[in-house]
Formats: sequence, C-alpha cells, structure tokens
Amino acid sequence: QVQLQESGPGLIKPSQTLSLTCIVSGGSISSGDYYWSWIRQPPGKGLEWIGYIYYSGSTSSNPSLQSRVNISVDTSKNQFSLKLTSVTAADTAVYYCARVVHRWSGYDYYYGMDVWGQGTTVTVSS
Amino acid sequence: DIQVTQSPLSLSASVGDRVTITCRASQSIINYLNWYQQKPGKAPKLLIDAASSLQSGVPPRFSGSGSGAHFTLTISSLQPEDFATYYCQQSYNPPFTFGPGTTVDIK
Repeated sequence: QVQLQESGPGLIKPSQTLSLTCIVSGGSISSGDYYWSWIRQPPGKGLEWIGYIYYSGSTSSNPSLQSRVNISVDTSKNQFSLKLTSVTAADTAVYYCARVVHRWSGYDYYYGMDVWGQGTTVTVSS
Repeated sequence: DIQVTQSPLSLSASVGDRVTITCRASQSIINYLNWYQQKPGKAPKLLIDAASSLQSGVPPRFSGSGSGAHFTLTISSLQPEDFATYYCQQSYNPPFTFGPGTTVDIK
C-alpha cells in the first residue's frame, strides 16, 4: 500500500526558499501509471493545485506560481520535491503531496489524486 | 485558467437527508471532474473521478453526475461520518483548479 510523507521546515522567513520533500513508500515512483503532485491549503481556506511531475521529469505547474516553483524527482531515492522561492506570508499553508492516477478515457487521460500525504504546515514569518 | 464554482458553500442537514452539491466550470470540461471529501485536520480523499466513477471503497450512497460545465454530487442518505467539506476539481486542463468547497454540517 503506497504511502506518502512530506518533510521540511515548518517555519521559514519571508524572501527565503521553501523546500519540501515527499517520500514515497510501498511503491515505485518510477511507475508509469502515476504522476506526483503538490497541493496547498492556506489556513481556513480551500485547496490550490501547485503542480505535478512525472518520473521522467516532465512537469506542469500552476501559472500563478510558475515563476517561483520548481518540482523535481529523484527516482533513486523514490521521492519528489518542491521548491518555492521568494516566499511571503501568503505562502503560509498546509502543503500536501499526492499521487495522481491517470487513466485513459478513450481520447485523453483522467487525472485524480488518489493517495495523499498527511500534510505539513509551513509558516512564513520573520 | 478554468474557474470552478460550487453551491451552496455551506449547508446544514440531518442524518438520513439527501444532499446535493453543485459544481460549475467556466467552460466545458466534458466529464473531467473529480470530487473530494475533506475532514478537519485531514488530507482530502478522492471520492469520484470522471464525474461519476466511484472510487474503490467509497460507499454507494455517494454518486456523481453531469457533463459539460454542470455537475452534481449527491449523498443519498447522509451518515454521521459524511459531515465534512467537499471539493470538486477539474482535470481537463492544467492548472487543475478546485472549487471553493462546500461544508456539510449537522442541523
């Protein structure tokens, strides 16, 4: 049974770079059946999709964050990572990693996040 | 970006009630629509993908319908464990935007 676990600092200062890692256990990140995603949730608010990565390194990111976001994968360690530069208080959130299942619809792929990490709280404050 | 809205944003219901939540996209997304359930302090859980395909292990009282830009999530008989926030998400085009969420609480 696949499990995901986020790790990283809980408190960072404004203008610094947020770095989080998601360790995948119970399955291989190199399985071509899945993408791997980051999502965040500011306190008391809704969900925001940050982006995803395929084991090959192919990525897609939210344009609202794209200039600040880097998502990478390390297949040798079975993990993927998020870097978000120049953080402000608006980046304070619970950050989740998730597995993205994709299945063929007949002419395109359906994507759904079917396994999630427990989430890690990141606070941006001086 | 495709915008996604939900209605209502909150509702109060009793155990045994039938509950319907609506999700609308700013353009046609065919049926590239997911539903998630989130309980306080927990990660979201995927309930339905492809607008109406129930995930394994999800009780059959949950159902999804719709196509194009208008979708619904229905809980046929609300159970105590169903009190939560529900989000729809379009997966037609990145960024895979979420709706604002609908909180279902106890009447």
